[in-house]
Amino acid sequence: KQEVTQIPAALSVPEGENLVLNCSFTDSAIYNLQWFRQDPGKGLTSLLLIQSSQREQTSGRLNASLDKSSGRSTLYIAASQPGDSATYLCAVREGYTGFQKLVFGTGTRLLVSP
Amino acid sequence: NAGVTQTPKFQVLKTGQSMTLQCAQDMNHEYMSWYRQDPGMGLRLIHYSVGAGITDQGEVPNGYNVSRSTTEDFPLRLLSAAPSQTSVYFCASSYSRYSGANVLTFGAGSRLTVL
Repeated sequence: KQEVTQIPAALSVPEGENLVLNCSFTDSAIYNLQWFRQDPGKGLTSLLLIQSSQREQTSGRLNASLDKSSGRSTLYIAASQPGDSATYLCAVREGYTGFQKLVFGTGTRLLVSP
Repeated sequence: NAGVTQTPKFQVLKTGQSMTLQCAQDMNHEYMSWYRQDPGMGLRLIHYSVGAGITDQGEVPNGYNVSRSTTEDFPLRLLSAAPSQTSVYFCASSYSRYSGANVLTFGAGSRLTVL
């Protein structure tokens, strides 16, 4: 059974720092991996999606990498801002055809202080 | 505004009561799903649908029913609520289940408490 782990569970940094969030998964047979952001009391917003054949994806100050063979992904946030404070979730997609089933990690709660 | 709309946002039930969580999307998405989110656990899939008239079970389906009579709506029914169903419920949809670059659009969530 696929298990997704995110470390650390919580992270507090001063504004301006570059930071890395980690995601690991136990079964490397994934179709893709997504990073989501969740604000308190709100739904999830997709940040980046990396296909299994890709090594990384970038969007603005965010960069996500994927190493399927080692079962790891990292989300790099450059020059963090207070507005980045949220919970970040990673999820792997299992199943290469048809139904899109996602297995989620428990998230990293990020607090960026001014 | 286009997106996924969930109602109600908050609900308190007594054990044994029934209720329906509503989910509607106006993006003509083929795929819809329900997840629950509990403290210390990742989101877990309850039920999903790949089109009108087609539903299937996810990881934690017990105690929940779904139907998909239209493309837009995917309600989640609790027939006899139990305290273990206290959770935050999220509905999510995507355009096509066959697209590899498919991202899920999530609703804002429904917080359910069962006493």
